[in-house]
Amino acid sequence: AQTVTQSQPEMSVQEAETVTLSCTYDTSESDYYLFWYKQPPSRQMILVIRQEAYKQQNATENRFSVNFQKAAKSFSLKISDSQLGDAAMYFCAYRSSLFQGAQKLVFGQGTRLTINP
Amino acid sequence: NAGVTQTPKFRVLKTGQSMTLLCAQDMNHEYMYWYRQDPGMGLRLIHYSVGEGTTAKGEVPDGYNVSRLKKQNFLLGLESAAPSQTSVYFCASSYNRDFVIFGPGTRLTVL
Repeated sequence: AQTVTQSQPEMSVQEAETVTLSCTYDTSESDYYLFWYKQPPSRQMILVIRQEAYKQQNATENRFSVNFQKAAKSFSLKISDSQLGDAAMYFCAYRSSLFQGAQKLVFGQGTRLTINP
Repeated sequence: NAGVTQTPKFRVLKTGQSMTLLCAQDMNHEYMYWYRQDPGMGLRLIHYSVGEGTTAKGEVPDGYNVSRLKKQNFLLGLESAAPSQTSVYFCASSYNRDFVIFGPGTRLTVL
């Protein structure tokens, strides 16, 4: 079974600075998807960014980018120019490509990000 | 277009009581899911459905039952609630390889 590990329970960063959240995963599959979700105090799960394992290019979405190291099974999230609205719980998640349509996600434990003004 | 809605938003049960959580989506999605979120453990898949009339077990199915009688609804039942089922429950839906859409969550406390 696949596992996802986030080793940083909490992180903090000064507003406007850059922060990197770590995620490692364990799988024997060669094709899969990786995600970062944001969960603000409202509890709503919001997709931040996703990466397909067969793509070598790292995904980017505005201020959010990933460093995907397939051989090392590492998938970190970099947030540039941190804003107060970025404060939230961040979850890394894995999805196998074996289940054609069903998005059976495996989540990490989460990292709570605090933004200091 | 309301997306994914969950009823109720909060509930307190006594040990041994039963209840049903309702999830509804208006996006005509084929796939629906129930996850639970516990402190320090992230979200874990309870049950899921790949279409009307079908259900399948996820990672932590014990103590729960589900039904998908209509495509737009996915019900999660607790027949005899236990304190270990105190959690936040999220419903989600998706269509093929499209992104998963999560509901707002239901906070359940079992005393």
